[in-house]
Amino acid sequence: EAQVTQNPRYLITVTGKKLTVTCSQNMNHEYMSWYRQDPGLGLRQIYYSMNVEVTDKGDVPEGYKVSRKEKRNFPLILESPSPNQTSLYFCASRRRGHKSSYNSPLHFGNGTRLTVT
Amino acid sequence: DAKTTQPNSMESNEEEPVHLPCNHSTISGTDYIHWYRQLPSQGPEYVIHGLTSNVNNRMASLAIAEDRKSSTLILHRATLRDAAVYYCILRGEETSGSRLTFGEGTQLTVNP
Repeated sequence: EAQVTQNPRYLITVTGKKLTVTCSQNMNHEYMSWYRQDPGLGLRQIYYSMNVEVTDKGDVPEGYKVSRKEKRNFPLILESPSPNQTSLYFCASRRRGHKSSYNSPLHFGNGTRLTVT
Repeated sequence: DAKTTQPNSMESNEEEPVHLPCNHSTISGTDYIHWYRQLPSQGPEYVIHGLTSNVNNRMASLAIAEDRKSSTLILHRATLRDAAVYYCILRGEETSGSRLTFGEGTQLTVNP
């Protein structure tokens, strides 16, 4: 089944303790991205990757890192989590076509709910 | 970036049509209009997209105004399962960085 898998689904941690949220897709998609969702603010893009070894900042990249060493994986790293990073996180992927087909739909994972105390 | 404006909430009755509006007055000529929805406790899922012409698929229809400054997502017969937050977003050119702004969307309530 074609899917985007995030782990863990729920995570409670303490301020300053490094953590990684994994994201994996089995659709051979070039493009992957991370979002956070907060009440009243909608979905905001953190980082995205157009292909292996190519990453770029989204709207709210501060406090996050990403890496794209393999096509299928796009982990989100919080080196020193803080309470303001408590949020619901979504990973997404899509096929990256040539210019005339950049309208391919995004596929989202089911989310990771992170609480930082 | 071009932005979209949607009502915060809408209500419908089961088995009736639903028209969800979206305004995007600053849309550029190459922006596609995409619709996603988010069911409770799930990630957003793709619904439909279009550029200029109206579009139909098994989930919904998309009606795009002639000047492209607004669009309407049409659910022909709402079911309880259609209760979700619906997002209207604009997708620009591949080379523009692929930033996507989702906003808060429209919370659709479907009454039995």
